[in-house]
Amino acid sequence: QKEVEQNSGPLSVPEGAIASLNCTYSDRVSQSFFWYRQYSGKSPELIMSIYSNGDKEDGRFTAQLNKASQYVSLLIRDSQPSDSATYLCAASGGYNKLIFGAGTRLAVHP
Amino acid sequence: EPEVTQTPSHQVTQMGQEVILRCVPISNHLYFYWYRQILGQKVEFLVSFYNNEISEKSEIFDDQFSVERPDGSNFTLKIRSTKLEDSAMYFCASSAGTSGRRNIQYFGAGTRLSVL
Repeated sequence: QKEVEQNSGPLSVPEGAIASLNCTYSDRVSQSFFWYRQYSGKSPELIMSIYSNGDKEDGRFTAQLNKASQYVSLLIRDSQPSDSATYLCAASGGYNKLIFGAGTRLAVHP
Repeated sequence: EPEVTQTPSHQVTQMGQEVILRCVPISNHLYFYWYRQILGQKVEFLVSFYNNEISEKSEIFDDQFSVERPDGSNFTLKIRSTKLEDSAMYFCASSAGTSGRRNIQYFGAGTRLSVL
């Protein structure tokens, strides 16, 4: 059974719109969650971390965590073409290893 | 801004050869990790390392793999006898701790390993 799951996409949104990315996790993983952005051929770059239920906002990004539903999401407001990338959801487990989802590819078109 | 550095950026090797991938973690970080990403697939955990010992390793991290911190700054991943299926992007990461915001892992740019 997979531990972190994401829709692979692509998710296509127009410039200026809100992009909503979702992730579910099994109860075997830890309660720390991360969103990383990965451009093609590049390494994961941290966007947000979230540790407790509710919303956490940082600029145009809002992460949401619902532990009861085992669900974590990332909202990107005012999406820009430069936001086009693969967004990786990750949960920490064991001795702080990260368990990644397969990633959702986001395409923001002008 | 401190960053994780990895060398080389691209390594080409023949099947059966040994390779060493090198990483310099962020200087005040204590926890070190290796991940790999086969082209088109998800990022997979290989091994975590703390206090000069392996903390955890995945099923992928078999006897062909080893890690070492040979000095105060470098962290290496050795693959003893490379196979075609070892071709992947290998990422090194480090974190200051394992709880709260200290558990955030920062990734290096990666080493692309091509086994021919």
